[in-house]
Amino acid sequence: DGGITQSPKYLFRKEGQNVTLSCEQNLNHDAMYWYRQDPGQGLRLIYYSQIVNDFQKGDIAEGYSVSREKKESFPLTVTSAQKNPTAFYLCASSIPSAQETQYFGPGTRLLVL
Amino acid sequence: AQSVTQPDIHITVSEGASLELRCNYSYGATPYLFWYVQSPGQGLQLLLKYFSGDTLVQGIKGFEAEFKRSQSSFNLRKPSVHWSDAAEYFCAVGPAGNMLTFGGGTRLMVKP
Repeated sequence: DGGITQSPKYLFRKEGQNVTLSCEQNLNHDAMYWYRQDPGQGLRLIYYSQIVNDFQKGDIAEGYSVSREKKESFPLTVTSAQKNPTAFYLCASSIPSAQETQYFGPGTRLLVL
Repeated sequence: AQSVTQPDIHITVSEGASLELRCNYSYGATPYLFWYVQSPGQGLQLLLKYFSGDTLVQGIKGFEAEFKRSQSSFNLRKPSVHWSDAAEYFCAVGPAGNMLTFGGGTRLMVKP
């Protein structure tokens, strides 16, 4: 079955630690996205990538980094510079056209110890 | 800049009653509009989308939405709500390089 997988489902971060969230898709989509979800604030775009080896900052990129070495993978690193990382993180993918639907993964909940 | 407002943070309806969730958008051109649903702790699932043509759009699970350009609205409706519809609903507008802007969401609770 085609889809988007995110791992882990829950992730705990210690102070000063970098953590990496995984996102993999087998939909053959060129575009991939990372969103952060906080209660009452909807989804906010962190980073997006329209093609392999290229990515752009979204609205709230500070304290995050990404890479796009393979079409099917778009990992997100939450760095120690992100002072309020506790949130639900959602990955999505699409064909890079305005009329195309974004498909979402099941999400990763990041908690700070 | 594009923006989306969902004025109702929470809505409670009785099972079998009709439902309308409001969505207002701001966008400079003809928008692409989406409604997604999210069950607790899960990702988002597309309910329906509007790009052009008929302003009344049918979606999955018996939902429909109507695009009203004059009111900058894209309200989601369902004639008879089921307990399984309890979830959070998000309206989104695009493109801007196919970037979506999401509203803050409306949490639907269904009373038995």
